[in-house]
Amino acid sequence: EVQLVQSGAEVKKPGESLRIFCKGSGYSFTNSWINWVRQMPGKGLEWMGRIDPSDSHTNYSPSLQGHVTISADKSINTAYLQWRSLKASDTAMYYCAYSPEGPFDYWGQGTLVTVSS
Amino acid sequence: DIQMTQSPSSLSASVGDRVTLTCQASQDIDNYCNWYQQKPGKAPKLLISDASNLETGVPSRFSGSRSGTHFTFTISSLQPEDIATYFCQQYDNLPYTFGQGTKLEIK
Repeated sequence: EVQLVQSGAEVKKPGESLRIFCKGSGYSFTNSWINWVRQMPGKGLEWMGRIDPSDSHTNYSPSLQGHVTISADKSINTAYLQWRSLKASDTAMYYCAYSPEGPFDYWGQGTLVTVSS
Repeated sequence: DIQMTQSPSSLSASVGDRVTLTCQASQDIDNYCNWYQQKPGKAPKLLISDASNLETGVPSRFSGSRSGTHFTFTISSLQPEDIATYFCQQYDNLPYTFGQGTKLEIK
């Protein structure tokens, strides 16, 4: 059974750094892309970027490039989403999603990130 | 970026009603349109891929179709458990983009 398990909720202050993770199981982790999707409170879905865990090739949404970093460690079947300096506007639910053939077939449970002074 | 203009933003219907949602792509995306269902507090779930392919285990009352750059999602007979927000998504070009969502409620 394919599963994506994400790290727990985080509460941070503006300017702090953060890394959240998404651990895959039940499939070959290097088979295809892991995507990150943001959902701000009460809002819709926004694709942030993706990583190919086999070679760590990444693509980012132009609106977010430079503010977040997506990485992966294929030895432990884990993808990461990282911020060096959080803003209040980063408050959101973050989902990882596995897309073996394009559509996002499998989703993690989400990680709620709250940034507040 | 490709825009996916989804309508309506909200819809109230009765159990048993036929419900139709639409997404208009800003350019040709072939069949690369998916539909997701998101229930409150839950992750989205893929229902329809490639405009009209019903995912395994998804009830047959759900369907999708395409006419050019216009995509339609239909629930043939609304059930109480269908209350959710529905999103379309294009994956023809990066960055992948979603429609704004349709919040479906029971009348």
